[in-house]
Amino acid sequence: DAKTTQPPSMDCAEGRAANLPCNHSTISGNEYVYWYRQIHSQGPQYIIHGLKNNETNEMASLIITEDRKSSTLILPHATLRDTAVYYCIVRSPYTGTASKLTFGTGTRLQVTL
Amino acid sequence: DSGVTQTPKHLITATGQRVTLRCSPRSGDLSVYWYQQSLDQGLQFLIQYYNGEERAKGNILERFSAQQFPDLHSELNLSSLELGDSALYFCASSVAGADTQYFGPGTRLTVL
Repeated sequence: DAKTTQPPSMDCAEGRAANLPCNHSTISGNEYVYWYRQIHSQGPQYIIHGLKNNETNEMASLIITEDRKSSTLILPHATLRDTAVYYCIVRSPYTGTASKLTFGTGTRLQVTL
Repeated sequence: DSGVTQTPKHLITATGQRVTLRCSPRSGDLSVYWYQQSLDQGLQFLIQYYNGEERAKGNILERFSAQQFPDLHSELNLSSLELGDSALYFCASSVAGADTQYFGPGTRLTVL
């Protein structure tokens, strides 16, 4: 799986948009970009994923650059409950060992009043 | 709520003992994954089962084993426990092998 690079921490004011960047310059053409978050010691929570088009769901938007070497997760109106560690993961679409998720150190997002 | 359940939530045991962690996947999911999260290693993939068969192995110790039963629930067995095995153990499930994985709430294992 391609390696990802994320800033170790970010702050965001409540009600503002949180933009979390991820660099994945060695991504292959068929690899997806997944985002998960982990609130305290809870199980990782799936947020969104995409291949090359921008994606949006009820939780967030995912913007992938045209060259696919980086992406940004956008939480449009961050709340205190969005405080968590956010993981950007590049994942192969194939099965077997390739289907595992490889977690890095993620970005610790702190949402403040 | 992801739909994945894990029991027990907490487990405290002594070195040298054996424990079993249980995971029930989301309804309809055939794949089960186990991950370990320790303070110094982060979240690491241990093993995957698909419809009862082992599909992939990660950094799983020989003292650890897993299985998936006909009703698709899975158990992770940890034996000859050491202090360093203290960690959070998460189970995830997906429809098939390459689909989105959904995680359970985890089991916190403390080895004293």
